[in-house]
Amino acid sequence: EIVMTQSPATLSVSPGERATLSCRASQSVSSNLAWYQQKPGQAPRLLIYGASTRATGIPARFSGSGSGTEFTLTISSLQSADFAVYYCQQYNNWPRTFGQGTKVEIK
Amino acid sequence: QLQLQESGPGLVKPSETLSLTCTVSGGSISSSSYYWGWIRQPPGKGLEWIGSIYYSGSTYYNPSLKSRVTISVDTSKKQFSLKLSSVTAADTAVYYCASVPFGGWYQNWGQGSLVTVSS
Repeated sequence: EIVMTQSPATLSVSPGERATLSCRASQSVSSNLAWYQQKPGQAPRLLIYGASTRATGIPARFSGSGSGTEFTLTISSLQSADFAVYYCQQYNNWPRTFGQGTKVEIK
Repeated sequence: QLQLQESGPGLVKPSETLSLTCTVSGGSISSSSYYWGWIRQPPGKGLEWIGSIYYSGSTYYNPSLKSRVTISVDTSKKQFSLKLSSVTAADTAVYYCASVPFGGWYQNWGQGSLVTVSS
């Protein structure tokens, strides 16, 4: 099983600032990585797949990069709607696995 | 736009079987481009992948749950289902169903169904 490790666990950011979230895989997942946003009481929402392709309707301030074992989600200028928990997920191997999440909170 | 909706009991007794159904609308459950998946989230915790199914019936399960999980599909009803046997309090979670293009990422999600295991 591929273990996905996200860092940091919590990220405190001021509105308008850039946020950089990391996700590391225990072995290569090529570019088979997705990112999700989850707000309290809501289902997760797909942001990025293929490591860097934004899903339909996702604003351009969200960008993904990386391949192999190291991945990054960048939110270029945080808006109030972006404070949430973010998860990465690999789909290179079965079983599919998620990271433990990074909470982006208001500084 | 695909829409998914979970349904099933919100309370299950320990040792019994949890059963949930996901109804798909806005698209074909028989599409060769999609798998269909179940994910769960215990209160206050992260996401756990349960398993996925293709319209043909091919399944993939989380090894940690494999002995207790069955996922099936009924294309005539545009539904796929989850059964988890011998549940304990540790199975208390919000259960989500989702569409999975090419078996990869989780694109469209249901709103989630809270299942509590308690006597």
